[in-house]
Amino acid sequence: SQQGEEDPQALSIQEGENATMNCSYKTSINNLQWYRQNSGRGLVHLILIRSNEREKHSGRLRVTLDTSKKSSSLLITASRAADTASYFCATDANSGGYQKVTFGTGTKLQVIP
Amino acid sequence: SQTIHQWPATLVQPVGSPLSLECTVEGTSNPNLYWYRQAAGRGLQLLFYSVGIGQISSEVPQNLSASRPQDRQFILSSKKLLLSDSGFYLCAWSAGLYLRYGYTFGSGTRLTVV
Repeated sequence: SQQGEEDPQALSIQEGENATMNCSYKTSINNLQWYRQNSGRGLVHLILIRSNEREKHSGRLRVTLDTSKKSSSLLITASRAADTASYFCATDANSGGYQKVTFGTGTKLQVIP
Repeated sequence: SQTIHQWPATLVQPVGSPLSLECTVEGTSNPNLYWYRQAAGRGLQLLFYSVGIGQISSEVPQNLSASRPQDRQFILSSKKLLLSDSGFYLCAWSAGLYLRYGYTFGSGTRLTVV
């Protein structure tokens, strides 16, 4: 399986509810980053969290990182219909002497108005 | 500010035809450039990356090739497309190989090989 795997694969919630997405990875990392992708568009960077950080906030977004469990979570509070998108985690890690960036398979979030 | 342009947005090509997708970056110099492919409902697969003019690294063996004729231009090509080349292609740039430099993506090209 891939270095980064998100779960759930798909999530459907009502507007106003919180959405939590998880990302697991296999090897030690330097950084982990969450991206958002609207349908048929490029990826947009949301939050970067370094391996020595445990939690970061940006507006309604909260990212946690647990390096002992090799996992991260992205929480979107008070969701809005406009949050409907796919969310990906990406990790960078040392691989064969160079940095390898790996993207997960994504969580497709649907926020129902 | 830096911007990245990728075109065309959509492309329908017959099997066996050539391919050329272009990506250009503005507002920065000596960027790291990447080509990714995204299959439907899947994550991103790195195809090629380049740290400088004429320097291309391939991540997976395939029917595609990449070139970097100018500092801020990255081209994805194929001499003869296969059905399996269909997908969503994304170009990206970063100031360094680490995620902390930030990856900025183009808007993507939807390629359908028929």
